[in-house]
Amino acid sequence: AQKITQTQPGMFVQEKEAVTLDCTYDTSDPSYGLFWYKQPSSGEMIFLIYQGSYDQQNATEGRYSLNFQKARKSANLVISASQLGDSAMYFCAMREGNVDKIIFGKGTRLHILP
Amino acid sequence: DAGITQSPRHKVTETGTPVTLRCHQTENHRYMYWYRQDPGHGLRLIHYSYGVKDTDKGEVSDGYSVSRSKTEDFLLTLESATSSQTSVYFCAISESRGETNTEAFFGQGTRLTVV
Repeated sequence: AQKITQTQPGMFVQEKEAVTLDCTYDTSDPSYGLFWYKQPSSGEMIFLIYQGSYDQQNATEGRYSLNFQKARKSANLVISASQLGDSAMYFCAMREGNVDKIIFGKGTRLHILP
Repeated sequence: DAGITQSPRHKVTETGTPVTLRCHQTENHRYMYWYRQDPGHGLRLIHYSYGVKDTDKGEVSDGYSVSRSKTEDFLLTLESATSSQTSVYFCAISESRGETNTEAFFGQGTRLTVV
């Protein structure tokens, strides 16, 4: 069963607008971590942001924030004031507390339009 | 940047031949992972290791084997390569399990083409 779901295969957004990339997850483990990665066209995987299941506040890292809705099992990435350099593939991932695996979603390809 | 190196970076091989990809880390991290990336599938876990000689299967392990005889090296072997194994392979490392902030650090990837 798929544990990480990213429902948006692709998105087009105007430069300077805010962007929300959706991610839902499935786990019965009360302890888990959620991650977002960026993969530009050059291919490297860049870690963006982390949210722990027990964190009371949404994680933020510069222009990135994670909208964590635990009851809905949702961990959406919000990019404020998008830039052309934000054009990339974005992956949501989860690590459960009692296992060693890190599982990824299928990704969302984001295109920022000038 | 995390010290993680994949080799080779590119390889073309013929169907039926064995292929070994190497992942080498200098971070002394406990966990190592092999993923494959294909369009429309994202990153799928092949195998992972939680210590020397300790490995386990991921989501798409058929046709692949791994070995970890030293903390720093994690080898992925395709015993008899098939065209369906044409992909980009990523190695990743991580320090510890659990919900603590222990993200995975990735290598640069290996593009494997099976003809």
